[in-house]
Amino acid sequence: KAGVTQTPRYLIKTRGQQVTLSCSPISGHRSVSWYQQTPGQGLQFLFEYFSETQRNKGNFPGRFSGRQFSNSRSEMNVSTLELGDSALYLCASSWATGAGANVLTFGAGSRLTVL
Amino acid sequence: DQQVKQNSPSLSVQEGRISILNCDYTNSMFDYFLWYKKYPAEGPTFLISISSIKDKNEDGRFTVFLNKSAKHLSLHIVPSQPGDSAVYFCAAAVGGSNYKLTFGKGTLLTVNP
Repeated sequence: KAGVTQTPRYLIKTRGQQVTLSCSPISGHRSVSWYQQTPGQGLQFLFEYFSETQRNKGNFPGRFSGRQFSNSRSEMNVSTLELGDSALYLCASSWATGAGANVLTFGAGSRLTVL
Repeated sequence: DQQVKQNSPSLSVQEGRISILNCDYTNSMFDYFLWYKKYPAEGPTFLISISSIKDKNEDGRFTVFLNKSAKHLSLHIVPSQPGDSAVYFCAAAVGGSNYKLTFGKGTLLTVNP
């Protein structure tokens, strides 16, 4: 069973640019969440999608956005990049309901460096 | 406001001994707690969880203890092995249908041979 796949794994952008990251969840998982990991803040919740709808949103500016497609694949976009956006962006998927729904399976992440 | 705190950034333990990783939380609404392990260049991997209706959950070498009155949980690894060396994250959630996890900043565990 394939795990959570994130692309690209590494990317470098400059300030002011925008970036799109992609996530393919585990087959059958319908919930996709995004987290930002930085050395100073740890893992912080960005947003969660289920059935193409955003159900939860963390405390991030509107420059951070996402979407989910009918096949549960998800993308997140960061516009007008700032130096502080340099981070590891992690995608996680889970069952929508039922026992173990809180257990997220994470991808390896997309390492974004903003110069 | 950090709702989940791991006050020890790092911990060093000898192989075969017990590793105890601690986590404190402030939000009394949290009712489900998880531990994740993370190796470099990989995503976090689920380790063990506990519901607030329990005070202990065991899975092989890993045991999680929950003290609701103190808003404290701990992860015990016995015996510790060099392969356990990783960053351990404590996470908490509110309700079974809320998939937003609140993470601590992690504790780097080093198990020395």
